[in-house]
Amino acid sequence: GQQVMQIPQYQHVQEGEDFTTYCNSSTTLSNIQWYKQRPGGHPVFLIQLVKSGEVKKQKRLTFQFGEAKKNSSLHITATQTTDVGTYFCAGPFSGGYNKLIFGAGTRLAVHP
Amino acid sequence: EPEVTQTPSHQVTQMGQEVILRCVPISNHLYFYWYRQILGQKVEFLVSFYNNEISEKSEIFDDQFSVERPDGSNFTLKIRSTKLEDSAMYFCASKGLPISGYEQYFGPGTRLTVT
Repeated sequence: GQQVMQIPQYQHVQEGEDFTTYCNSSTTLSNIQWYKQRPGGHPVFLIQLVKSGEVKKQKRLTFQFGEAKKNSSLHITATQTTDVGTYFCAGPFSGGYNKLIFGAGTRLAVHP
Repeated sequence: EPEVTQTPSHQVTQMGQEVILRCVPISNHLYFYWYRQILGQKVEFLVSFYNNEISEKSEIFDDQFSVERPDGSNFTLKIRSTKLEDSAMYFCASKGLPISGYEQYFGPGTRLTVT
């Protein structure tokens, strides 16, 4: 079946350290999306990657989509306490209605 | 900025009871979804809805579940006879035309507790 795997499950960092989460799909994706969920909150869209090998940046966040369009990563440079939350990658599957299959998420804790 | 709204924010019900979770998607969106998230776990797809019918559903979405868009604005999820394992956060999401992107907008969720 369609699966999206994500590692690590948890990451504890000191404020100012970098953070990376990795995502791998069982099948080639048309695009991959990243969402952030704050504790007690709902998933909030961060970005969408569509092209093979695409790299996008949002301030301290760098997103990459693999050449084969099956893997992706999110890297945060110099984490801040506001980065705390769970980061999910999600791949759209199905023929046009784009149900999202989420990875298990990486929970980021940032210690001041 | 337009947003998806959901009511109630928290619903407590007894096992075997029916519950209806309500969502108001973003007004010009055409694709609607329900997801659920058991505490501490990942977000799981339940059902997608387009053009007034279910377009896809997961294995979780069995005969106890149904969805409806009764009046062109609300989008509801009904669970006919709740089970303990239905306790979870239920998120509604909506999406616009593909030309506007793939982003799905999630509501704040309804926490369902089945006792």
